[in-house]
Amino acid sequence: QAVVTQEPSLTVSPGGTVTLTCGSSTGAVTSGHYPYWFQQKSGQAPRTLIYDTSNKHSWTPARFSGSLLGGKAALTLSGAQPEDEADYYCLLSYSGARVFGGGTKLTVL
Amino acid sequence: EVQLVESGGGLVQPGGSLRLSCAASGFTFSRYWMHWVRQAPGKGLVWVSRINSDGSSTSYADSVKGRFTISRDNANNTLYVQMNSLRAEDTAVYYCARDPPIDHWGQGTLVTVSS
Repeated sequence: QAVVTQEPSLTVSPGGTVTLTCGSSTGAVTSGHYPYWFQQKSGQAPRTLIYDTSNKHSWTPARFSGSLLGGKAALTLSGAQPEDEADYYCLLSYSGARVFGGGTKLTVL
Repeated sequence: EVQLVESGGGLVQPGGSLRLSCAASGFTFSRYWMHWVRQAPGKGLVWVSRINSDGSSTSYADSVKGRFTISRDNANNTLYVQMNSLRAEDTAVYYCARDPPIDHWGQGTLVTVSS
């Protein structure tokens, strides 16, 4: 199965902007991989932020946005808040199967 | 309100079997695909399996193929995963989630494989 890669950790200042990326061992990530982004805080179930590259759920804060960037899926956080400190996972679709990235631990400091 | 409640976790010996359930409510279960996702203690999320809305199509991660079987009972709004030949590396919290899109998740049930 494919390997999906994410930055292991990133740090952003409060109010700052950061971009998390999600790459695929099979080549460029496209809309056909239906990229998802999930947020998980310690001891909690995951929460879906972005689906199908850039679509938001009703509960997704406006400061989060999804896109394709340089052959990868990207999650951009603009105006980071302390409560955004969490683990972030991307998920890609491969002909029915799904593969998660290893996750990015985001620190707001 | 959409609710997904997993159950059936517990301690099982290596080589043993366990069946997990995910009880769904608050939505028309038969219209949605469903997934199982797991997370080993202190590790990341791992996709396990998915089933389509009528149960006619399934897909599995390589790590569980041939050992796990996903199924559903649309009459009783319940998703299952039958886990056989369990290994220590199957120890994890198991979550169910509905799709499309993947939005609501259960709170998970812990499976511990140990002698």
